[in-house]
Amino acid sequence: QVQLQESGPGLVKPSETLSLTCTVSGGSISSYYWSWIRQPPGKGLEWIGYIYYSGSTNYNPSLKSRVTISVDTSKNQFSLKLSSVTAADTAVYYCARDLGVVAATPGWFDPWGQGTLVTVSS
Amino acid sequence: SYELTQPPSVSVSPGQTARITCSGDALPKQYAYWYQQKPGQAPVLVIYKDSERPSGIPERFSGSSSGTTVTLTISGVQAEDEADYYCQSADSSGTFVVFGGGTKLTVL
Repeated sequence: QVQLQESGPGLVKPSETLSLTCTVSGGSISSYYWSWIRQPPGKGLEWIGYIYYSGSTNYNPSLKSRVTISVDTSKNQFSLKLSSVTAADTAVYYCARDLGVVAATPGWFDPWGQGTLVTVSS
Repeated sequence: SYELTQPPSVSVSPGQTARITCSGDALPKQYAYWYQQKPGQAPVLVIYKDSERPSGIPERFSGSSSGTTVTLTISGVQAEDEADYYCQSADSSGTFVVFGGGTKLTVL
């Protein structure tokens, strides 16, 4: 079955750009939507945005000015860049497949990657 | 911005029924989804499209919808069901994903 794995630096300095990659295995990245979701320590889930395999994107309005999600179908990967990070961006970052998307309305997330903790600190 | 409201905590004894609610103005128009998250693990989908159960999820998990409230029901709660539960939906325009704040289910 499809599995997702996040990778990237676990420590990022304030004001710099956070960069993560999600590698999809066990299936093709094509024909699906793919999302990034984060969870600050001890807090709830926050959707960051999604990308369709063709490259179209949709971002959380609260993060839109700092977020870029891209896809590389040749590598079966999609990536997240979050610029100008602060301590408030410290979180476990998850990638997930977005199923049931109809007319660009988000559906449900399944499966999820295991998550990767990114700490913003100097 | 649009919000989904969940109770912070619910407690039940083993074998009883747990009901976790999620309220939001757009829920009559948008489907709801439910996730279970155990400590240190990624969330797992337990209900999609208000009441559909993914394969591999025990039958004791069920979902329902009534107006602006959706409910996750766990019948015959077991100790292994102790976890955080999150509802998820879309805003009224159907554009953005929204999560509820999460409910911690404690099995006494």
